[in-house]
Amino acid sequence: GAGVSQSPSNKVTEKGKDVELRCDPISGHTALYWYRQSLGQGLEFLIYFQGNSAPDKSGLPSDRFSAERTGGSVSTLTIQRTQQEDSAVYLCASSTDRGRGYTFGSGTRLTVV
Amino acid sequence: ILNVEQSPQSLHVQEGDSTNFTCSFPSSNFYALHWYRWETAKSPEALFVMTLNGDEKKKGRISATLNTKEGYSYLYIKGSQPEDSATYLCGLTMNSGYSTLTFGKGTMLLVSP
Repeated sequence: GAGVSQSPSNKVTEKGKDVELRCDPISGHTALYWYRQSLGQGLEFLIYFQGNSAPDKSGLPSDRFSAERTGGSVSTLTIQRTQQEDSAVYLCASSTDRGRGYTFGSGTRLTVV
Repeated sequence: ILNVEQSPQSLHVQEGDSTNFTCSFPSSNFYALHWYRWETAKSPEALFVMTLNGDEKKKGRISATLNTKEGYSYLYIKGSQPEDSATYLCGLTMNSGYSTLTFGKGTMLLVSP
């Protein structure tokens, strides 16, 4: 597609439930990133996929968070046993090479009640 | 932990005013500095990617400068308009550039008519 697509745009879930967030990057972009912004905080790095290399998971806040990228394209971020502190806007971005800016999706606003 | 500082945290100006924000970062192992504009309910949009000390970039009424030796970048908006109202983010990559962007918390700009 023309841009980075994320779904759902909004998700309200009960504490303890699992959620899956989807990101469809720009075709041909080898790098894919997940960030989140919690209320009053800056953009926090979560995970980075680059081509066929092992992902950089150093930003994942706990083992309840995991992500995969299938076929070098679509990525899914999964949060298990959601907690209220997981409430945030989750942003996905992709890029073609290290010298260029990221193209962000419009985000998924996750609210854990 | 990489520390990217942005100031001011927020700014309220009148239409027609010119304004500027600061992004400060550690100068060692610098690779690139990015500026993004994030309007409410939209995706962050890349404004500039800057890599060279002394670099200056311009896009319409918005321009940015970079000093990698002292570790700062300025973003300038000339003749602010209400549509410039947004959060302006700077992000830093280190070393090879295949590292991820570390963002500051942003400067929230409100331009009143």
